[in-house]
Amino acid sequence: IAGITQAPTSQILAAGRRMTLRCTQDMRHNAMYWYRQDLGLGLRLIHYSNTAGTTGKGEVPDGYSVSRANTDDFPLTLASAVPSQTSVYFCASSAGSGTGDEQFFGPGTRLTVL
Amino acid sequence: RKEVEQDPGPFNVPEGATVAFNCTYSNSASQSFFWYRQDCRKEPKLLMSVYSSGNEDGRFTAQLNRASQYISLLIRDSKLSDSATYLCVVNKTALIFGKGTTLSVSS
Repeated sequence: IAGITQAPTSQILAAGRRMTLRCTQDMRHNAMYWYRQDLGLGLRLIHYSNTAGTTGKGEVPDGYSVSRANTDDFPLTLASAVPSQTSVYFCASSAGSGTGDEQFFGPGTRLTVL
Repeated sequence: RKEVEQDPGPFNVPEGATVAFNCTYSNSASQSFFWYRQDCRKEPKLLMSVYSSGNEDGRFTAQLNRASQYISLLIRDSKLSDSATYLCVVNKTALIFGKGTTLSVSS
């Protein structure tokens, strides 16, 4: 059982380019999340999805979009990358969207925008 | 005041030491509380949930004081493998992560 997989593991991207970070989970979890982690700022929520077909904005959604066409996949798209989007991106999932649900994280994608 | 604040660290302790991490949160309506562990360049993983009555898991003890909006994590008999960053996490409508406290256990 893989849990949550993310791709790519790392990427160097020119500013202005479009990029999609992939996230797939095989736990049949209803809720999925995208976070970014920056030194000195901790983990911050970008977007979330409580169930397939629905999405919501987190703390730092600007410059990012998501879709949730099915239960397993939750891609994050940077329409036109900027250097401030250089970060480590973590995808996570939880069985439900309740406040007590444990979130399981993927291994992360290290993105550098030049 | 930041939503979740933790001891700045780093904590450098010898094997066998007892170490305590503290965390405060600003939103009194927060409903769930957790400690996550993050190893260097890895993803966060749940260490333990924190309950109002306090809870223990082996060498780890977590306490919650809702009146003071304070959470703690106590690690007894530290092991080299405990070296990691410990994230205090609070949930109201979404998980809010503290910046983390780094622990380094040396032999």
